Amino acid sequence: DTEVTQTPKHLVMGMTNKKSLKCEQHMGHRAMYWYKQKAKKPPELMFVYSYEKLSINESVPSRFSPECPNSSLLNLHLHALQPEDSALYLCASSQDGGTGGTNEKLFFGSGTQLSVL
Amino acid sequence: QKEVEQNSGPLSVPEGAIASLNCTYSDRVSQSFFWYRQYSGKSPELIMSIYSNGDKEDGRFTAQLNKASQYVSLLIRDSQPSDSATYLCAVNLYNNAGNMLTFGGGTRLMVKP
Repeated sequence: DTEVTQTPKHLVMGMTNKKSLKCEQHMGHRAMYWYKQKAKKPPELMFVYSYEKLSINESVPSRFSPECPNSSLLNLHLHALQPEDSALYLCASSQDGGTGGTNEKLFFGSGTQLSVL
Repeated sequence: QKEVEQNSGPLSVPEGAIASLNCTYSDRVSQSFFWYRQYSGKSPELIMSIYSNGDKEDGRFTAQLNKASQYVSLLIRDSQPSDSATYLCAVNLYNNAGNMLTFGGGTRLMVKP
């Protein structure tokens, strides 16, 4: 199994809503990532979990809250988002995180296209 | 100063031609280099990785790395319309947070029948 599965594929939410994005991988990878991608821009790193611990938070607003319940699952909890948060949210995993060599091979999920009204 | 730079394109080539995509990076100690392909509305897909100077071939794709000049390129031979996509160069860079993969802005490739 070489897949990273993300749900939902599409999400429309209001600025007062609370929603969660989910990501799952069964490749035994120990690093999982959340990226945000706006149209015609490269992916921007938001969070990195390495061995189930948050290792990197790229100064993301607190309305985004990551959670890693176990080594296979990664969630992104959303609350009080703004219209400018509308983007494609990508989950990725790699064998390890931040150790160099071949470990940075990222495998991406299909993404969640989020629209904030 | 951007850390990983690519020409945004679009790069337009006729079907059957060689498409050449280039990427430069700022960190001399980078060791790992990747090319991802991203179709419109889809997620990035890893197509090539390269770690040492020289060429690495995989089917119609050849990655070239020159660490002294700090550039990495991707050649696509016999380009097909299905190769039309945005190609993202990714380099592991060292910063305060450690060793992290950094993406270039991407080059949009258009292969015309």
